[in-house]
Amino acid sequence: DAKTTQPPSMDCAEGRAANLPCNHSTISGNEYVYWYRQIHSQGPQYIIHGLKNNETNEMASLIITEDRKSSTLILPHATLRDTAVYYCIVRPMTTDSWGKFQFGAGTQVVVTP
Amino acid sequence: EAQVTQNPRYLITVTGKKLTVTCSQNMNHEYMSWYRQDPGLGLRQIYYSMNVEVTDKGDVPEGYKVSRKEKRNFPLILESPSPNQTSLYFCASSRTSSPLHFGNGTRLTVT
Repeated sequence: DAKTTQPPSMDCAEGRAANLPCNHSTISGNEYVYWYRQIHSQGPQYIIHGLKNNETNEMASLIITEDRKSSTLILPHATLRDTAVYYCIVRPMTTDSWGKFQFGAGTQVVVTP
Repeated sequence: EAQVTQNPRYLITVTGKKLTVTCSQNMNHEYMSWYRQDPGLGLRQIYYSMNVEVTDKGDVPEGYKVSRKEKRNFPLILESPSPNQTSLYFCASSRTSSPLHFGNGTRLTVT
């Protein structure tokens, strides 16, 4: 079973911020939180990742709670091209276990005009 | 251009006819992995490889084989395909502990 829980779907108005929650209550100290998105049936695209500090890049911001049991991906100004399925995953970083990890069902985000 | 290339993009075959889906990456990545995607089930990991000649089972390995004889290639082999292997398949690669790069997918139909 996936180690993360996400809402199945959410809508967002174009130009507004989209806040995508993810619950990972069983996360371990050596596991990073990664976010990917998949547009239509294309290959998933990496967005951002973090361990415990908040992160920001040109695509999004990642806010991780202090206890690391949940996180939020923020798309600051959603556009129609951000309509996609967003996946939150946890990935161990120890060399003997980082190869096997699970994607959940993700959140279908629909950005409307 | 850095990329993960899968071939073919579309494949229709019949039950029991052996097939291979190729995956190649030009980024000198150590790690490669195969996933299948079915409606409502997200991406499920089939096999992964941490380096040449090192492969391990993912969550749904039954009915599949892989090999990693060279760093750049990680073919997925279906010795005797069945209709329940009809799916969208993705190959991915990365450096150790780095973000994954995905291919564009292979849509397989087994009749």
